[in-house]
Amino acid sequence: SQTIHQWPATLVQPVGSPLSLECTVEGTSNPNLYWYRQAAGRGLQLLFYSVGIGQISSEVPQNLSASRPQDRQFILSSKKLLLSDSGFYLCAWSTTSQGEKLFFGSGTQLSVL
Amino acid sequence: GENVEQHPSTLSVQEGDSAVIKCTYSDSASNYFPWYKQELGKRPQLIIDIRSNVGEKKDQRIAVTLNKTAKHFSLHITETQPEDSAVYFCASFRSGNTGKLIFGQGTTLQVKP
Repeated sequence: SQTIHQWPATLVQPVGSPLSLECTVEGTSNPNLYWYRQAAGRGLQLLFYSVGIGQISSEVPQNLSASRPQDRQFILSSKKLLLSDSGFYLCAWSTTSQGEKLFFGSGTQLSVL
Repeated sequence: GENVEQHPSTLSVQEGDSAVIKCTYSDSASNYFPWYKQELGKRPQLIIDIRSNVGEKKDQRIAVTLNKTAKHFSLHITETQPEDSAVYFCASFRSGNTGKLIFGQGTTLQVKP
C-alpha cells in the first residue's frame, strides 16, 4: 500500500532563517506531488505541484521554492523565512491516472518568530 | 480563474440533528467533486466523492448531491455525532487539469452533545 511521510511534525524558526521540509511517498511510482499551506483557521492554499522529476509549477509567488530531486521526494525550501510563512504545511500525492484523489501527509506546523 | 465557494463558514448543530454544507463551482467542465474532513491538527482525509455522471451518493450517515445545471453540490450529514466536529472542505476537479483540485474555504462544523 502507499504511504506518505512528511517531517518534521513541528518546527519553530526565527525570522530570516532557512527552511527545508521533506516529503516522501512509498508504494507508488511517478506520483503527482503537491505542497499546500494552511494559515490558522483558513483554507488550503496550493503552493507547488509536480508531475515529474525536476518539473515544478508554482501557484503563488513568494519566497518559498520546491524541488523534486527524486521521483518520490518533494522538498519545500526557503532561504529566509518571513513571519507570514507561519502555518500548517501539507504535502500530498496523487496518481497520474487518478489525479483527482489526493492523499495528504500528516503536516508540519511551522511557527516563524 | 476556477473558483469554489463554500457556505457556511461555520455551522453549529445539536447532536442528532442534520448538517448541510453547500459549494458552488465556476468551471462547468469540472467532473469530480470530493469532500475532505480535517480534524484539529490532523491531515485532511477524503470522506466521500461524486462524479458528474451521478446526482447523489450515500455512505452511511453522509451523502453528497450534485446539481450540474446549477453548478453546485452539497454534503449532508445525518444523525450528527460529536466526532463529526471538524473542518470540511469541498473541492472540484476537471480531467486533464494536471491534477489540481480547487478547494473551497472550508466549513467548521461543531456538534454539541
